Amino acid sequence: DIQMTQSPSSLSASVGARVTITCQASQAISKNLNWYQQKPGKAPKVLICDAINLETGVPSRFSGSGSGTHFTFTINSLQPEDIGTYYCQQFDTVPYTFGQGTKLEIK
Amino acid sequence: QVQLQESGPGLVKPSETLSLSCTVSGGSISGYYWSWIRQSPGRGLEWIGNMYYSGSTNYNPSLESRVTMSVDTSKNHFSLKLNSVTDADTAVYFCARGQLWLRLWGQGLSVTVSS
Repeated sequence: DIQMTQSPSSLSASVGARVTITCQASQAISKNLNWYQQKPGKAPKVLICDAINLETGVPSRFSGSGSGTHFTFTINSLQPEDIGTYYCQQFDTVPYTFGQGTKLEIK
Repeated sequence: QVQLQESGPGLVKPSETLSLSCTVSGGSISGYYWSWIRQSPGRGLEWIGNMYYSGSTNYNPSLESRVTMSVDTSKNHFSLKLNSVTDADTAVYFCARGQLWLRLWGQGLSVTVSS
């Protein structure tokens, strides 16, 4: 299985700050990666597809980059409603696998 | 708009079969892939598998020997069966629409394996 390693596992940042989460794949997955946001008690919501494509309706402060084994998810100008846990997920090879998550809190 | 709703027992005994359904409302099950994902504190998010509405399936190899997915287009729902469950199968089970990009999810159903 392809292992997805996210860092950090948690972070606290101020409103308006720039936040970056990284995801490292154990083998190259091209751009076959999604980013999800999950709020407590809710299902994950896809924010970024194919590593770089913002889903329709998702605010432009969210962005993704990377390919191969190293990926980055960024929130420019953190807002209070962005609190939650963020996950990367590879869909290059079955079984599709998720990172362990990054819990984001407001400082 | 299209909505997904998981249903099934919240408690299953060890060694028995977990059977869940996902009902699709506001849209058709035809023409799409449908997926099952589960989440537990110990294992995080785990992809169980997916199936096309016509019946072709892809399963997580770690679960493949115990998993069966099926679709009923007449009832607009799809199902998951996981047999010989243990406490490691305790999780919140989600159904979702899509194969590679899971854009629509159910709210999730908590399932506990316990005697």
